[in-house]
This record gives sequence, C-alpha cells and structure tokens, in this order.
Amino acid sequence: DVKVTQSSRYLVKRTGEKVFLECVQDMDHENMFWYRQDPGLGLRLIYFSYDVKMKEKGDIPEGYSVSREKKERFSLILESASTNQTSMYLCASSGMVGVRTNEKLFFGSGTQLSVL
Amino acid sequence: SQQGEEDPQALSIQEGENATMNCSYKTSINNLQWYRQNSGRGLVHLILIRSNEREKHSGRLRVTLDTSKKSSSLLITASRAADTASYFCAPINTGGFKTIFGAGTRLFVKA
Repeated sequence: DVKVTQSSRYLVKRTGEKVFLECVQDMDHENMFWYRQDPGLGLRLIYFSYDVKMKEKGDIPEGYSVSREKKERFSLILESASTNQTSMYLCASSGMVGVRTNEKLFFGSGTQLSVL
Repeated sequence: SQQGEEDPQALSIQEGENATMNCSYKTSINNLQWYRQNSGRGLVHLILIRSNEREKHSGRLRVTLDTSKKSSSLLITASRAADTASYFCAPINTGGFKTIFGAGTRLFVKA
C-alpha cells in the first residue's frame, strides 16, 4: 500500500520553540504539500514542493518554512511557534501527469499540534 | 489553481437514504476530484473525473460533471453510518499545480 507518514500524531510545544514536522512518502512522488486545517476554515495550503530542493509558497506561508533535501521527505518548520499555530497539520503527496497538472493526492494521518 | 465551493455545508440523513453533495467552481478545469475525511484524520481520495467525462461511478459513489455550469455532484447511494465524514471537492486547472480545498460538506448518517 502507498503511504504518507507523518512523524507525530499529537505534539505539544511551548511558545517560541522551533518545531519540526516531518513527512515521508514511499511513492516516488514529485509533489509534496503541507496544509493546516482549522475548524470552519477547511484546509489551507502552507507550502508545496514540486522537486527536491524546490519549494513554493502556498496561501499562508507566514511563520513557516520548509525543507526538501530528499525526494521522499518534506519537512515543515515553525521557526518560533505561536499559539495561533495550534492546528491540525496535514501532509500530502502526488504524482504529476501532463504539464504540471495534479493527479490525486495521498494524505498522511495528520499531526495535531498544540502550542501553549 | 482554484477552490471549489461545496454545498450544502452540512447534511443529515438516515441510513439507507441517498446523499447528494454539490461543488461549484469558477474557471475551466482539467479534472475534478472528490475526497473524504473522517474526523481527525487525513483526506482520502474518492474519485477523479476528467473534464471530458460527464459521469463516473465507483461502488456506491456516482459523480457527475457539468462543465457548462461549472459544477459537479457526488451521490452516495444507500448511505451507511460509516459514510459519516466531511467531503471535499478539488477542481484542478490544466497546469494547476496547487490543490486547493474548500470548507467541505459535513455528512452525518444516522443509524
């Protein structure tokens, strides 16, 4: 079975801490994505990557950075965690068909991050 | 990239009934995808329909696409309690690299 694995299911951090959320996929997908999901707001795209060492900002990149040193791994970094970053974080990956057109996304189980 | 808008926001039905959810979008698409999310979990891809297709089936799921109206619908037949989840559509433009989700439809199936 194809798999997207997020390193933690639940995480509790303190304000100001540097937080790393890790995501690994085993499908040799080009594209990887980080979303956050908050009640009533749906999923919002934070960052995505279409190749190793390539990244692009999504709709809400402020306060976040990402790293993609290897094709299978995409890390989300909260440089200095704040309480408004308490959220469910979802990682996804996809292959590509045609000219940069997304095929279906495979999601991880999510990381519920609480920043106190 | 564009966001789909699902309608209704919430739907409550009895087990055995059919559930219909709608999705509208704004600009022409390459394909449109539907996803399900069980509470507190990641999204699961259900079905992808391409712009040159009008209808697609997968088990109890039926998806239609009307590109002239820029809308799609997801029909779940003979609903079960296990179908209780949120459902999201994702319209994908050609060259649409980002997949953007709306707020979804929350379906509750009562046993």
